[in-house]
Amino acid sequence: EVQLLESGGDLVQPGGSLRLSCAATGFTFSSHAMSWVRQAPGKGLEWVSALSGGSTITYYADSVRGRFSTSRDNSKNTLYLEMNSLRVEDTATYYCARGHAVEVRVYDYWGQGTLVTVSS
Amino acid sequence: EIVLTQSPGTLSLSPGERATLSCRASQSVSSTSLAWYQQKPGRAPRLLIYGASTRATGIPDRFSGSGSGTDFTLTISRLEPEDFAVYYCQQYGSLPRTFGQGTKLEIK
Repeated sequence: EVQLLESGGDLVQPGGSLRLSCAATGFTFSSHAMSWVRQAPGKGLEWVSALSGGSTITYYADSVRGRFSTSRDNSKNTLYLEMNSLRVEDTATYYCARGHAVEVRVYDYWGQGTLVTVSS
Repeated sequence: EIVLTQSPGTLSLSPGERATLSCRASQSVSSTSLAWYQQKPGRAPRLLIYGASTRATGIPDRFSGSGSGTDFTLTISRLEPEDFAVYYCQQYGSLPRTFGQGTKLEIK
């Protein structure tokens, strides 16, 4: 059974940093692109970043480029999101999502999400 | 950036009725690179449709997608009680990947 489990969400002050993790089980992690998608409280979905299976290709939304960094450790089946210079508007539930085997740019499995709150 | 506009914002229907949800793009979506997701309160999104019309694994055939270019539609042929949720379209033909703002399907 495919499972994605995010962790690392917390309350952090503006300008602070945080690292999120997403532990994957139940599939060959290295064979799938992975993404982060966030959802502000009561709002819609916002794509954050995408990373290829071999970490050779990375994409970011303009709103986080230069502040956030996505990486993965295929030996640990774990995806990461390093977040720096956090802003109030980064407050959201962050989901990791697996790229579909056929159409890698859509997300067929999602974690339960981890909440990041940026506030003073 | 491709902006996706979903309509209506809220759709009130009864179980057994047909639901038609619209997603309009600000520019043409390449290669029908359009997906639909369902999200229930407190839950992660669930992939329903990709490639504008291909059902994801395990999705009932009452869900169907259609469209191309800038106009896409998700149709639920006969609503079941578990179908009442928020639905999002997503384009993945160009960067950044973008989502629509969602359509809430509520019980009338």
